[in-house]
Amino acid sequence: AQSVAQPEDQVNVAEGNPLTVKCTYSVSGNPYLFWYVQYPNRGLQFLLKYITGDNLVKGSYGFEAEFNKSQTSFHLKKPSALVSDSALYFCAVSSGSARQLTFGSGTQLTVLP
Amino acid sequence: NAGVTQTPKFRILKIGQSMTLQCTQDMNHNYMYWYRQDPGMGLKLIYYSVGAGITDKGEVPNGYNVSRSTTEDFPLRLELAAPSQTSVYFCASSNGQGRSYEQYFGPGTRLTVT
Repeated sequence: AQSVAQPEDQVNVAEGNPLTVKCTYSVSGNPYLFWYVQYPNRGLQFLLKYITGDNLVKGSYGFEAEFNKSQTSFHLKKPSALVSDSALYFCAVSSGSARQLTFGSGTQLTVLP
Repeated sequence: NAGVTQTPKFRILKIGQSMTLQCTQDMNHNYMYWYRQDPGMGLKLIYYSVGAGITDKGEVPNGYNVSRSTTEDFPLRLELAAPSQTSVYFCASSNGQGRSYEQYFGPGTRLTVT
């Protein structure tokens, strides 16, 4: 069975500094990996995905993620954080006939002004 | 496009009551899903559907039922509500074609069972 781990419940970073939100996964076969963001009292919004190809994936709002097969990781990154990036971030892996998502427990990102 | 819509936004149920959470998508997506989100636990899959007339259980299906009579609608039925079903419920849909794996989520229904 597949699983996703987000080892940090909370990440704090100063505005303008680079940010990293960590994610590791466990799947059989090729991983299909995703990052979603959730703002307070809202649904999840798709940020980016890795299906195949380049290990560095670029997504919405200046975010990118690096796929590392040997370390089974898919960390989310942004070169310069904004206060408006403060939100709950979820890593997920897709599997099954309906491409169901298995989510990590989420990481609360706070960008301090 | 409205995307994925859910009703109601909020609901309080008494133990033992029943209700249906509505979900509609206007993107002509084949695949639809129901998740629940508990604090600090991420999202758990309740049920999913790959097309009209086809549904299957996810990770946490007990206490719930679904139907899929049309491509657009995927209602979730709670029978005999219990406090353990207090949660935020999200409906999602995806294309299911080619490499379009990403899911699109509705705004959620916050349910409290007391």
